Amino acid sequence: DGGITQSPKYLFRKEGQNVTLSCEQNLNHDAMYWYRQDPGQGLRLIYYSQIVNDFQKGDIAEGYSVSREKKESFPLTVTSAQKNPTAFYLCATEDRSYEQYFGPGTRLTVT
Amino acid sequence: LAKTTQPISMDSYEGQEVNITCSHNNIATNDYITWYQQFPSQGPRFIIQGYKTKVTNEVASLFIPADRKSSTLSLPRVSLSDTAVYYCLVTLLSGGYNKLIFGAGTRLAVHP
Repeated sequence: DGGITQSPKYLFRKEGQNVTLSCEQNLNHDAMYWYRQDPGQGLRLIYYSQIVNDFQKGDIAEGYSVSREKKESFPLTVTSAQKNPTAFYLCATEDRSYEQYFGPGTRLTVT
Repeated sequence: LAKTTQPISMDSYEGQEVNITCSHNNIATNDYITWYQQFPSQGPRFIIQGYKTKVTNEVASLFIPADRKSSTLSLPRVSLSDTAVYYCLVTLLSGGYNKLIFGAGTRLAVHP
């Protein structure tokens, strides 16, 4: 977990509602990432940011949005347009040697 | 387009050496290969990283042959607590945003 905080650990929402997942870091890393993990599956990249006020779509960005107004924070919004939002969401930072540091994750359940 | 391939699962016994290979085509000379360990409902943890030849740290070794079409994570003398999913990650460096290619993960089960 290190210096990366994701809150809350478990999140429940009704279908049709937008929900924002928090990711905060105190590692002073420029790069931050959001991944989605489904049960028994690997990690899939949603969005990533290498600097404040800039971010790029990953492999599965549809139905998600992000912002990067501060170096320490990279919140992810799961919108109602995301067809299957129930998943385990992982935030990570990356240092200058390309090592990624992952947060503890948020398990989102949408019913 | 780069792609990584790992075995879906492996079984071992306590005290044995485990080698997990990740195949990755089309990677450049300076692209990095990193291995992570993940326990259920936790974020992955860094194990080891390299981009050529051999790297060793206190928990593992990473072997990368000259053609760089694969890499092998070696875990010496595994214990029950090494039961986890292991992911290889190839980082394709570019002048701007790097491209990350994660493997699907190898589920290692260590038996008594």
